[in-house]
This record gives sequence, C-alpha cells and structure tokens, in this order.
Amino acid sequence: KNQVEQSPQSLIILEGKNCTLQCNYTVSPFSNLRWYKQDTGRGPVSLTIMTFSENTKSNGRYTATLDADTKQSSLHITASQLSDSASYICVVTLTGGGNKLTFGTGTQLKVEL
Amino acid sequence: NAGVTQTPKFRVLKTGQSMTLLCAQDMNHEYMYWYRQDPGMGLRLIHYSVGEGTTAKGEVPDGYNVSRLKKQNFLLGLESAAPSQTSVYFCASGVIANVLTFGAGSRLTVL
Repeated sequence: KNQVEQSPQSLIILEGKNCTLQCNYTVSPFSNLRWYKQDTGRGPVSLTIMTFSENTKSNGRYTATLDADTKQSSLHITASQLSDSASYICVVTLTGGGNKLTFGTGTQLKVEL
Repeated sequence: NAGVTQTPKFRVLKTGQSMTLLCAQDMNHEYMYWYRQDPGMGLRLIHYSVGEGTTAKGEVPDGYNVSRLKKQNFLLGLESAAPSQTSVYFCASGVIANVLTFGAGSRLTVL
C-alpha cells in the first residue's frame, strides 16, 4: 500500500531556532513530492515541489530535500518565526498524474517566544 | 481574485439530514476535488472532476455525491448525513492534476 509517514507528529521550538521535519514514503512509482503548510482553520498552501531528479528546493527560509533512493524527504526551517506555527504536510504524487496524491498526516509545529 | 471559495464554513446537521457544500473557483481551472480531513489522518479524496460535466470517485466516495454543471463550481452533497461524516471538508482546484489550490475548508458536524 502506498503510504506517506511524517515525523515527528508534533514539535515545539523557540523563535529563531531551526528545525527539520521528516517524510518517508513508499509511494511507487513516484512522480513528485510537495510540502504544504496548513495554518489552523485554513487550507493547505504549497511550499515546495520536487521531482524525482531534484535533491533540494528552497522557498525563503524553507528548504526541502529529497533522496529518491531511500524514499525520504525533509523540510528544514531556518530562523523560525511565530508565523511558522502550522501543520506541515508531505504529499507524494504517483507517476501518471491523475489524482493519485497520497497525503501524510502532517507535523504540527509550534514556535514559541 | 478570490481563488477557491467554500460555503458554508460551518454546519451542524442531524443524522439523516441532507446538505450541499459549494465550491467555487475563479481561476478557470479544469480540475476540481473534494477532500475530507480527519484527526490523525491525511487528506482523503472523496470525488473529483477533470472538467465541466465530468465527475469520478476518489478514495472514500460512499455517502457522497457530486456535480460539476459549471466549470467554476463543484458541489458536494450528503443525501443522508451520518455521524461518520463529521469532518473538515476541503475543496481544491488546479490547472493540472497535482498542482492544487485549496479552499479554507468547511467544518461539518453530524449529531
């Protein structure tokens, strides 16, 4: 069964600190991987997208990495801000597109003063 | 440019009642989707549409129906609501299948 697992489930960090969120997937064949940010009470918003041939992609203070061999991705947040408090969701697309998106359950990040 | 708009944002139903959630997008997207999000689970696809007049079943379609009579609108219907349908529902649209813009969500409670 195609799955996407994220860790940790939740994380609390102090403002200004860095953190790394993990995503392991068994989706195959793999097309691309996205990281979404979901603020409380809002819909997910795309942060990054990477195809199987890309190793890293940045969007401001967010940097995603991908190792297609080990089927692992990470999202690194630099110099965290209070506004980074949200759920971060890893989404993997099967080759062939269509609607074969598999969503992870998300990592709930809280940034505190 | 409103993007993807869902109505209503909140609704409480009694078991057996029916209702319709409306999703409207102003981006001329062909693809539209309805997902549900439950605690501890990833977003799950209910139904989707690849263009006006077309609909298809997703991962968890039972108990739901959809219609796409106009390109900009995608309706999700519950004919006889059940407590198991208590959830947050998200609509999404996209120019291509896996580049999605999500709405803000509709929280439904079935008593």
